[in-house]
Amino acid sequence: TQLLEQSPQFLSIQEGENLTVYCNSSSVFSSLQWYRQEPGEGPVLLVTVVTGGEVKKLKRLTFQFGDARKDSSLHITAAQPGDTGLYLCAGVSAQGGKLIFGQGTELSVKP
Amino acid sequence: KAGVTQTPRYLIKTRGQQVTLSCSPISGHRSVSWYQQTPGQGLQFLFEYFSETQRNKGNFPGRFSGRQFSNSRSEMNVSTLELGDSALYLCASSSHRVPSNTGELFFGEGSRLTVL
Repeated sequence: TQLLEQSPQFLSIQEGENLTVYCNSSSVFSSLQWYRQEPGEGPVLLVTVVTGGEVKKLKRLTFQFGDARKDSSLHITAAQPGDTGLYLCAGVSAQGGKLIFGQGTELSVKP
Repeated sequence: KAGVTQTPRYLIKTRGQQVTLSCSPISGHRSVSWYQQTPGQGLQFLFEYFSETQRNKGNFPGRFSGRQFSNSRSEMNVSTLELGDSALYLCASSSHRVPSNTGELFFGEGSRLTVL
């Protein structure tokens, strides 16, 4: 069974701090996506990374796909209360099949 | 364009009952996937429908079933409800078959089911 493990599961920080969320697996993924889910809503896609070592930036968010395509990270610089939400990584296995989701990281940014 | 619409948004059932949830995908999207979301378990894949055919299925018991109509609208049904079925059920539509390296999933707001 392919698993995507996210860490940390919960993160509570002050506005202005930096943070990194990790998404790890023992399996190779052909692509990896990051979603953000706010209370009462469905997840919304933030980014898709496809190439090993790829780095993508979305304003204060930086996403990286590991060289071996088994892991990914999301770094937020100078977090703001509007960044609060559940961050989910989702991977497409290299062998095809299902889109696998991690269990999520619950981020709370306090003003 | 209109997003993914799920109905009902909230519902309460008792053990042993059955429930049907509905999902209308974004116009033109032919893939509809269903997920169960619970605290600590994250999103668990239920099934994916593409052009009225179930293309993929997760590890859920046979009490969970679904279908897709010719207009791409989808329904999922859970029979003989158990307390553990309490969850947020999310539907997602895509223009591509899932999984896809480039396909984006567009999620609805979910149907929150409480089983008493």
